[in-house]
Amino acid sequence: AIQMTQFPSSLSASVGDRVTITCRASQAIRNDLGWYQQRPGKAPKVLISAASMLQSGVPSRFSGSGSGTLFTLTIDSLQPEDFATYYCLQDYNYPRTFGQGTKVEF
Amino acid sequence: EVQLVESGGAVVKPGGSLTLSCAASGFIFSSFSMNWVRQPPGKGLEWISSINHGRPTENYADSVWGRFTISRDDAAKTLYLHMRSLTVDDTAVYYCVRDRATVVADSWGQGTLVTVAS
Repeated sequence: AIQMTQFPSSLSASVGDRVTITCRASQAIRNDLGWYQQRPGKAPKVLISAASMLQSGVPSRFSGSGSGTLFTLTIDSLQPEDFATYYCLQDYNYPRTFGQGTKVEF
Repeated sequence: EVQLVESGGAVVKPGGSLTLSCAASGFIFSSFSMNWVRQPPGKGLEWISSINHGRPTENYADSVWGRFTISRDDAAKTLYLHMRSLTVDDTAVYYCVRDRATVVADSWGQGTLVTVAS
C-alpha cells in the first residue's frame, strides 16, 4: 500500500498567518490527491481534488500544489474557522490511504 | 441536496457481526461509486472499502479484508457494510462517502458509531 506521510502532525498559528501542510507519498501518484478539512465533531469536507483543484464553495485562501510524491496545502491568512484537522488522501490506487492528519491550533 | 445517512451502529462483543446501512438521497445513487471510511475515537481517518457503480467491483483495506463486505442496492439507494469477526480495533465512527467523477470523497454522511467491547 502507498504510505502517505503528512507533516507536521500539529501546528500552532494565529489568525492571519500563512500555513503550509505537506504530504509525501511513498511512490509517485501523479496528481491523484485530495485535501480534507475536519472540524471537531463533524464529518470531513473536501477542499481540494486532483492536488490543486479548489472545490466549489471553498475560500480562495486555500490552495494545493504538487505532483508525483510531494504535495502541499497552503492556507493564506488563516481565519478562525480554519482551526481544524486536515488530511490528505491518495486515490492513485487501492487501497486508498490517508495521511495521519495535521491539527491546526491556536 | 446530497444526503447520506448512516445507521446500524451499536455496541457489539468481540467476535460479533454487524451490518451498517447508508441511505442516499438527492442524487442518482446508481451512477456513483461509494466508500466506507472509519475514524477510531481521537484518531485519524482510515479508508476501508469502495464499491464502484455499474458492474460493481469492490476494494478493501488490508485491515478488514476477508471480514468486511461492501454491497449496494441501487433500487433502494442504499449502501451496506457487512462486518464480522469484529475486534476492539474496529471501534470507530463509520462514514459513508460518495465519489464524484473527478472528486474523490466529495460528500460524507454524519457517521455512525460502532463500539466493540466485552
